[in-house]
Amino acid sequence: EIVLTQSPGTLSLSPGERATLSCRASQSVGSSYLAWYQQKPGQAPRLLIYGASSRATGIPDRFSGSGSGTDFTLTISRLEPEDFAVYYCQQYGSSPYTFGQGAKLEIK
Amino acid sequence: QVHLQESGPGLVKPSETLSLTCTISGGSISNYYWSWIRQPPGKGLEWIGYIYYSGSTNYNPSLKSRVTISVDTSKNQFSLKLTSVTAADTAVYYCARESGGGSYEEWGQGTLVTVSS
Repeated sequence: EIVLTQSPGTLSLSPGERATLSCRASQSVGSSYLAWYQQKPGQAPRLLIYGASSRATGIPDRFSGSGSGTDFTLTISRLEPEDFAVYYCQQYGSSPYTFGQGAKLEIK
Repeated sequence: QVHLQESGPGLVKPSETLSLTCTISGGSISNYYWSWIRQPPGKGLEWIGYIYYSGSTNYNPSLKSRVTISVDTSKNQFSLKLTSVTAADTAVYYCARESGGGSYEEWGQGTLVTVSS
């Protein structure tokens, strides 16, 4: 199975700053089938990005995804207060689908 | 707007079978893949498996020997059964609809299942 490793584990930033989250796969993710999710306490995950770089419905354009092969990045260009949450990457290029361990974005 | 709702017992005894149902409203179960995903308290997400509306399935090998996912198109529902549960199966269980080939845009709110005697 493909193991996804997210870094950093915790990122401390201030509103208005730029956030960059990394997701590295243990082997190449087929067809860039890589998604990013945001999860807040007590809520289900929310899809942000699919296909490595396509924004899901209603997602603000401050969220962007990039990468291919084994290295992927989620960038939040200018942090809003509501962006502080836990973020997960997920690969669905091969079975079993797998998720990264999560990265917490906290207010500095 | 499709809505997914998990239902089932919140407490299951060790060695027994966990059974959950996901009811879909505001849309049809047809032509989609439907999944179960779980999250132990304070931990990350684990994909359990999916079922296509026609009944074909794919399970996580780590759980395959204990998992069955089934579908009832007449009720617009799909279900999860997990046998021989232990405390390690304590988690919030989510049902979700695949979109874009395997990502999940639609989720249920999740239901906490605790395995304890």
